[in-house]
Amino acid sequence: GAGVSQSPSNKVTEKGKDVELRCDPISGHTALYWYRQRLGQGLEFLIYFQGNSAPDKSGLPSDRFSAERTGESVSTLTIQRTQQEDSAVYLCASSLDWLANYGYTFGSGTRLTVV
Amino acid sequence: DAKTTQPTSMDCAEGRAANLPCNHSTISGNEYVYWYRQIHSQGPQYIIHGLKNNETNEMASLIITEDRKSSTLILPHATLRDTAVYYCIVRVDTNAGKSTFGDGTTLTVKP
Repeated sequence: GAGVSQSPSNKVTEKGKDVELRCDPISGHTALYWYRQRLGQGLEFLIYFQGNSAPDKSGLPSDRFSAERTGESVSTLTIQRTQQEDSAVYLCASSLDWLANYGYTFGSGTRLTVV
Repeated sequence: DAKTTQPTSMDCAEGRAANLPCNHSTISGNEYVYWYRQIHSQGPQYIIHGLKNNETNEMASLIITEDRKSSTLILPHATLRDTAVYYCIVRVDTNAGKSTFGDGTTLTVKP
């Protein structure tokens, strides 16, 4: 597609429920990144996929968070047993390659509110 | 990745050049300097990046000092639509997937 697409754009969920967030990267982009942005704060790295290599999960804050990506296509970020501190905007970005000479294209994010 | 330091906020008059500084005194030779901006309620937008040389594109210019310890993003003729948070980050191939975005500089363009 023309840009990075994320769905849903907004999600309100009850504490303790599981949620699944989706990211469609730009076609041909091999690298995909998830970030979290709490209100008024900067971006916090969560996880990174590059092609068929094992993902870098070092930024996931707890074992309630997981993410998958099939090949170079769609990625899903799953948060189990949501807590109020999970409320944030979850941003996905893709890049032509993982190398540092390629910039990111971000989606518009999913605003998650846990009540 | 090298840490970056940016002023918390800046103002600029509409039509004037906006010069946003970034300090990255611990940058290594193979780290790129990137600038992104985030307009309220949107995802960050790529602006420009460079390694050693100054760079210019349709959006902005990037001036990197000779010792690479700091850089300046220049928006030549700021408009009200340029009001945003501007992030300066550094990236290296070995850790390219873990770019850290700090709090950035909130630029307010005033009429």
